Amino acid sequence: GENVEQHPSTLSVQEGDSAVIKCTYSDSASNYFPWYKQELGKGPQLIIDIRSNVGEKKDQRIAVTLNKTAKHFSLHITETQPEDSAVYFCAASSGQAGTALIFGKGTTLSVSS
Amino acid sequence: KAGVTQTPRYLIKTRGQQVTLSCSPISGHRSVSWYQQTPGQGLQFLFEYFSETQRNKGNFPGRFSGRQFSNSRSEMNVSTLELGDSALYLCASSPREGEEKLFFGSGTQLSVL
Repeated sequence: GENVEQHPSTLSVQEGDSAVIKCTYSDSASNYFPWYKQELGKGPQLIIDIRSNVGEKKDQRIAVTLNKTAKHFSLHITETQPEDSAVYFCAASSGQAGTALIFGKGTTLSVSS
Repeated sequence: KAGVTQTPRYLIKTRGQQVTLSCSPISGHRSVSWYQQTPGQGLQFLFEYFSETQRNKGNFPGRFSGRQFSNSRSEMNVSTLELGDSALYLCASSPREGEEKLFFGSGTQLSVL
């Protein structure tokens, strides 16, 4: 069935370093790839997204890259700050109609100062 | 603009009972989706509603149901609760049918004893 694999499950970096989270999807029909940040006690917050007709998108310190051939997409956070500490989820649109998203299992990012 | 509002925030039930969770989407958003989040399975799609009609359904048993009202507010119901139904139930809204960009609420934490 449809599946999204996310690595690593935990990531610890020093403040100012870069962080990279990688995801692989299985459904060739997926054409929308969002990234969400979830802080303790809150719901997931959309931080950046990319569609299959674009290879890369950047928003300040956050960038996402997509390799549609390899079915890989990645989140890059530069100049990390302690407030970046959270759980990050990648997702891919399902081949079904509508808005169903298939989520990865999440990456817990810890940024120490 | 107010975000997605979910009530109640926390809920404790016993096996066999039923529960109803409520969601008010962002003003102007007409599509509502529900997701279940557990430590083991992660985020899983339950169903999506638009114009009071269920547009899409995930792979959950019939004990899970939902509905949407004319003002776009939505409720989900779980009957004959099982221990495994303990989870964070997240509601997300999007402005139009088929729009994958989802905005999540903070969720309802359901504990089944």
